[in-house]
Amino acid sequence: DADVTQTPRNRITKTGKRIMLECSQTKGHDRMYWYRQDPGLGLRLIYYSFDVKDINKGEISDGYSVSRQAQAKFSLSLESAIPNQTALYFCATSDLGGNQPQHFGDGTRLSIL
Amino acid sequence: GIQVEQSPPDLILQEGANSTLRCNFSDSVNNLQWFHQNPWGQLINLFYIPSGTKQNGRLSATTVATERYSLLYISSSQTTDSGVYFCAGANDMRFGAGTRLTVKP
Repeated sequence: DADVTQTPRNRITKTGKRIMLECSQTKGHDRMYWYRQDPGLGLRLIYYSFDVKDINKGEISDGYSVSRQAQAKFSLSLESAIPNQTALYFCATSDLGGNQPQHFGDGTRLSIL
Repeated sequence: GIQVEQSPPDLILQEGANSTLRCNFSDSVNNLQWFHQNPWGQLINLFYIPSGTKQNGRLSATTVATERYSLLYISSSQTTDSGVYFCAGANDMRFGAGTRLTVKP
């Protein structure tokens, strides 16, 4: 979905490095999410935010932190990357007002050596 | 947390065939969604369907909320339908492991 942009699209880095993945959206949605996908598996929620002042842990938040800098921006940080954080990371958005369908970015493929 | 089971895990079809994919939840969810992940990894929202039936072209979905399951129907399948189909729901958006669909020409 071109309205949800993730940067970078690919990243290779070393164990122990700090990494930030960024997500921006032009859909005007209040809710934003970060997921990771491991090969052959479904997505798992890392963190989500319902507005700029709201941050919630998901199923697998350990080792990650997030920042909601503005309604349109939601970044995910790995403070000290480890190899088992190698995965495909997705950002998603949804509108406010009850449960609404989610719209995904194209993903960031992260490899930690 | 809620458990999500999808079946079958893999499905191979000949172009033109119909198929039914199933999603079971261990508890009630009020925001069930179906997604298609294409071979390039992109995720597309197919349906937001907490209950009832919806149709979009050759695809339709039915959710029976009281029995905690949802079905995705694909009719007259095409090679472009190939990929992985996920269902998801609950406040912390639990995903199933997906059904990998391969449509052969």
